[in-house]
Amino acid sequence: ETGVTQSPTHLIKTRGQQVTLRCSSQSGHNTVSWYQQALGQGPQFIFQYYREEENGRGNFPPRFSGLQFPNYSSELNVNALELDDSALYLCASSLAGGFYEQYFGPGTRLTVT
Amino acid sequence: QQQVKQSPQSLIVQKGGIPIINCAYENTAFDYFPWYQQFPGKGPALLIAIRPDVSEKKEGRFTISFNKSAKQFSLHIMDSQPGDSATYFCAASNSGGSNYKLTFGKGTLLTVNP
Repeated sequence: ETGVTQSPTHLIKTRGQQVTLRCSSQSGHNTVSWYQQALGQGPQFIFQYYREEENGRGNFPPRFSGLQFPNYSSELNVNALELDDSALYLCASSLAGGFYEQYFGPGTRLTVT
Repeated sequence: QQQVKQSPQSLIVQKGGIPIINCAYENTAFDYFPWYQQFPGKGPALLIAIRPDVSEKKEGRFTISFNKSAKQFSLHIMDSQPGDSATYFCAASNSGGSNYKLTFGKGTLLTVNP
């Protein structure tokens, strides 16, 4: 069984640029959630994807967008990067419906300068 | 509005001690309460989770105690070891919602001294 993987591990971008982060879900999982974890804080829910559709969104602006592919992998796109977007971006996979645990990947550390 | 409040912010114990981390929630619709362990530079790892139909759950050295009327739950680590030194997060979610987003506490940095 393969765990959740994310790429790249680290990324440095300049304010105003765009970035794409990638996530491969754990084998057998069909739902992917993205979280932002600022330094010293708990993860904050960005959005969730199920069956290639957005299935709920947290308090993040539209410049945060995502995709899910037929193989359940997912992308997080952030446009017009701001300094406050510097954070660890975490992807979690799970099975849809009910009490299913979410398993996190190692994250992508994004630094915006 | 912080829906899950976690305390303490940091905790130092000696090896073999029993650190206790507490969380309180506001949303009565929450019905799933996991705890995650996170080491520096890593993603959170699911430790143990509880649902409100039980008051206690044990898995190895980790125990969750749950008080539904007080809307509180806590993590106890028995016989703590230096390898348990990490940041611990409580979380909560609502299975009746359209998605099962996790709402996290702010975390507790645990240090277990040898």
